Amino acid sequence: GIQVEQSPPDLILQEGANSTLRCNFSDSVNNLQWFHQNPWGQLINLFYIPSGTKQNGRLSATTVATERYSLLYISSSQTTDSGVYFCAVGYSGGGADGLTFGKGTHLIIQP
Amino acid sequence: DTGVSQNPRHKITKRGQNVTFRCDPISEHNRLYWYRQTLGQGPEFLTYFQNEAQLEKSRLLSDRFSAERPKGSFSTLEIQRTEQGDSAMYLCASSLAWRGEAFFGQGTRLTVV
Repeated sequence: GIQVEQSPPDLILQEGANSTLRCNFSDSVNNLQWFHQNPWGQLINLFYIPSGTKQNGRLSATTVATERYSLLYISSSQTTDSGVYFCAVGYSGGGADGLTFGKGTHLIIQP
Repeated sequence: DTGVSQNPRHKITKRGQNVTFRCDPISEHNRLYWYRQTLGQGPEFLTYFQNEAQLEKSRLLSDRFSAERPKGSFSTLEIQRTEQGDSAMYLCASSLAWRGEAFFGQGTRLTVV
């Protein structure tokens, strides 16, 4: 099956800093999502981005499908950005499987 | 629409008991997925339905696990003869068939004692 690697595994930053999270995947995909998991376990959708670039406020994401990686950028970090960020990928065609998740990046934003 | 809803939010059960979790997807979504998440790991795909048909169930962890979606709306996940290793967060997600973007519920946290 598809392998997903996220880096770095842990990241500690001061409030106001910028960060880049990376997701590498091992095979062709037509579904790629970034999630933020809050302390209560809820997965919050950040981006649905199988290719291209999107921006939403302080967050943006880029997926280069031909090179099998995606990047999540967080600018001007706030303490509420803390949590675990997951990249998940999938390929839908015929009998579609679900998403394959990476192990996540644990982000801590210190005041 | 209130999003994907899961009940109960927490379940504590004794080893050997059966448990059942419910998931109500986003109303217009025809695909429904079940995942399990253990501590420090990303969610792991278990099974999915398109309408009432279960199209993938080979990833269910053992024959103690089963899922149903009888009328193509809500779904249930049952674990029979629970074991301590079944303790985890069980997540449900839904999507449209033509667009794979999945939306997750808040999960059911199972503790087997």
